[in-house]
Amino acid sequence: AQKVTQAQTEISVVEKEDVTLDCVYETRDTTYYLFWYKQPPSGELVFLIRRNSFDEQNEISGRYSWNFQKSTSSFNFTITASQVVDSAVYFCALSEAWSGYSTLTFGKGTMLLVSP
Amino acid sequence: EPEVTQTPSHQVTQMGQEVILRCVPISNHLYFYWYRQILGQKVEFLVSFYNNEISEKSEIFDDQFSVERPDGSNFTLKIRSTKLEDSAMYFCASSVGQGIYGYTFGSGTRLTVV
Repeated sequence: AQKVTQAQTEISVVEKEDVTLDCVYETRDTTYYLFWYKQPPSGELVFLIRRNSFDEQNEISGRYSWNFQKSTSSFNFTITASQVVDSAVYFCALSEAWSGYSTLTFGKGTMLLVSP
Repeated sequence: EPEVTQTPSHQVTQMGQEVILRCVPISNHLYFYWYRQILGQKVEFLVSFYNNEISEKSEIFDDQFSVERPDGSNFTLKIRSTKLEDSAMYFCASSVGQGIYGYTFGSGTRLTVV
């Protein structure tokens, strides 16, 4: 069973549009961590955010915001006023207590294309 | 800001050859990992390493793979006899404690098997 689902394979927007990347996860653990990573065309994985399962507060960091809802097992990521530099593949990932948090399970990623 | 360093950035090897991918984790980190990403696909866990032994490994990490921390700074992934399907980006990561504190990934080594 897929543990992290990113249903949007590719999203194209025009600069300054807002865009939301969806992430739905599945776990039997009550304690877990969720992550978002950015992979620009250069290929590296850039950490964006970590959220633990007990903290449902939404978070905002500049143009980025995250909406964590345990009731729907979702951890969505919104970019406000998108820019060309936001073009990248974005991965949502899950780390679970049963594994001692020693593994990250990634979704398949969403490719975001921001055009000028 | 501390980094995880991986070398080489790109390696081309012939099928059947052995390759060693090298990583220098962040110096005060205790947990080390290898992940791989086949082109255009998701990032997949290979192995985690703590206290000089493997703590967890995935089904992908079969007998042709091995990891080692040969000294106090390096962490290596060896593929004994490469196959075409081993072509991928290999990421090393480290964390100060278990992953709840976050993982820092290296820039990756793109392995191409021809």
